[in-house]
Amino acid sequence: DIQMTQSPSTLSASVGDRVNITCRASQSISAWLAWYQQKPGKAPKLLIYKASRLESGVPSRFSGSGSGTEFTLTISSLQPDDFATYYCQQYEGYPFIFGPGTKVDIK
Amino acid sequence: QVQLEQWGAGRLKPSETLSLTCAVYGGPFNDYYWSWIRQPPGKGLEWIGEINHSGSTTYNPSLKSRVTISVDTSKNQFSLKLTSVSAADTAVYYCARGGFRSTSCFDDWGQGTLVTASS
Repeated sequence: DIQMTQSPSTLSASVGDRVNITCRASQSISAWLAWYQQKPGKAPKLLIYKASRLESGVPSRFSGSGSGTEFTLTISSLQPDDFATYYCQQYEGYPFIFGPGTKVDIK
Repeated sequence: QVQLEQWGAGRLKPSETLSLTCAVYGGPFNDYYWSWIRQPPGKGLEWIGEINHSGSTTYNPSLKSRVTISVDTSKNQFSLKLTSVSAADTAVYYCARGGFRSTSCFDDWGQGTLVTASS
């Protein structure tokens, strides 16, 4: 199985900060990577697919980059609605694997 | 906008069978892949398996011996059965839409069902 890691596991930030979350795959997954946002008690919401493509309706302050084994989710200017947990997910091959998550909380 | 609505028993005893169903409204059903994903309380997400409209399935090897996913195209529904549950299967279970005619990530999700396995 392809293993996914994320760093940091927790990130404390303030409104307006630029935030970067890193996701690494144990082997190349090309650009077959998605990013999700999850708030407590809610289902995950797709933000980015194919590593850098913004899902319809997602604010442009979210962006994704990377290919192969290293990927980054960037929030250009953190907003109050962005405090949540973020997960990456590979879909290059079965089984689909999610990263362990990065919790973004208020500094 | 497609909507996924799921239901099923929320409390089970160890060794019983978990059974959940997900109905798809407001969007196409055929030609998409449909998945089940779970999340233990306070933990991360685990993909359980997927099915397409023709009934072709792929399961996570970690659960394959206990999982069956089925589809009813006449009702635009798909279902999950997980046998011999234990406390380790306690989780919120989500249904989700995958890719169009190929595997992909998940762009629409059900509301989640908390399933608790406890004696």
